[in-house]
Amino acid sequence: DAGVIQSPRHEVTEMGQEVTLRCKPISGHNSLFWYRQTMMRGLELLIYFNNNVPIDDSGMPEDRFSAKMPNASFSTLKIQPSEPRDSAVYFCASTTGTGGPYEQYFGPGTRLTVT
Amino acid sequence: AQKVTQAQTEISVVEKEDVTLDCVYETRDTTYYLFWYKQPPSGELVFLIRRNSFDEQNEISGRYSWNFQKSTSSFNFTITASQVVDSAVYFCALSEAGGATNKLIFGTGTLLAVQP
Repeated sequence: DAGVIQSPRHEVTEMGQEVTLRCKPISGHNSLFWYRQTMMRGLELLIYFNNNVPIDDSGMPEDRFSAKMPNASFSTLKIQPSEPRDSAVYFCASTTGTGGPYEQYFGPGTRLTVT
Repeated sequence: AQKVTQAQTEISVVEKEDVTLDCVYETRDTTYYLFWYKQPPSGELVFLIRRNSFDEQNEISGRYSWNFQKSTSSFNFTITASQVVDSAVYFCALSEAGGATNKLIFGTGTLLAVQP
């Protein structure tokens, strides 16, 4: 079975540009999470969706960040405009939400570098 | 408030040594779940174990074992006869049960270096 798929795996962009990260959760999972990992702050939950509905976006740093989940098999995290401090590894994770919380399965991550 | 503390930032051992990674958690809930994840140098996060608050039995899986003690709010992870392939960052995480919440609160991680 395919795991969580993220694209791109690496992204290098210039400050001020728009960045879109993509995630395909494991089929059948109804909860999806976006995390950011940096050396300074560790693993931070940015936002999570349950049945395609955003449940908690309190971790989204500021208005420059937005996330969508138009259907059960796709989500995007957008940063506009990007800043150097957004450089991090962004992980997407999914889990089944019924009767949980169950373990989350993580994608390989997108390493974002903003110059 | 929920919190997970992994006081050991880095541990270095020599192959075949046993090593224990500490995890202390804080929560007001009586029902919660604890997890361990491994992040090898390749970067992906790999799920290792999930344990609920009602099950205090220790668990063993091969060279891995977990000791859950509610009295001390700890969920420690022991690797027996460590191997170089065990070198990774290990994260402990907590999730409170109930409702639509499946949020994981992660500790800061412990970097384990196993020297040959």
